[in-house]
Amino acid sequence: AQSVTQLDSQVPVFEEAPVELRCNYSSSVSVYLFWYVQYPNQGLQLLLKYLSGSTLVKGINGFEAEFNKSQTSFHLRKPSVHISDTAEYFCAVSELHNTGKLIFGQGTTLQVKP
Amino acid sequence: KAGVTQTPRYLIKTRGQQVTLSCSPISGHRSVSWYQQTPGQGLQFLFEYFSETQRNKGNFPGRFSGRQFSNSRSEMNVSTLELGDSALYLCASSPESGRTGELFFGEGSRLTVL
Repeated sequence: AQSVTQLDSQVPVFEEAPVELRCNYSSSVSVYLFWYVQYPNQGLQLLLKYLSGSTLVKGINGFEAEFNKSQTSFHLRKPSVHISDTAEYFCAVSELHNTGKLIFGQGTTLQVKP
Repeated sequence: KAGVTQTPRYLIKTRGQQVTLSCSPISGHRSVSWYQQTPGQGLQFLFEYFSETQRNKGNFPGRFSGRQFSNSRSEMNVSTLELGDSALYLCASSPESGRTGELFFGEGSRLTVL
């Protein structure tokens, strides 16, 4: 079984500052890793994913994440945030070749202040 | 290309009633997954259908059921509604189960049980 822990429920940050949203996972098998974003009253949108290969993954809207197998982490980073990045961010894992079933973390609310 | 469409977007039911939610995936997508989102439990996997067959099932009671039609449209049903079933129900589709690593989410059906 897999589990995902997002270490911060809320992250307040000022506009143009860097941000890191932390995610740790637990699994007895190899997994794929994802970050999704949810804006108010909307569904989820994929930011980026790690399936294999380079451990540094770049996504949309200037976000990137690094897969660290030894620390079982997949932290999300952005060097300079905008007001429009205010949203809830979810880290998720799935078993290999079984991405229809995602296990999500509890979410991190990113609050970007002017 | 039209996105994932969920209907209805909002609905109110009373305890003991049943409800059916509908999901039309992106054209050409054959896998449909359902998730329940609540403030307390977060995002939880309900089930996944691929080519009219249930591939995965989450840890929900038998009151929660689903099906997929030959055109890949999917429905989920909740019988004997309880107050705790109040949630945002999200549907997601992907071209093939377990292959692309990305789920495309609809905006959800918000169910309120009184």
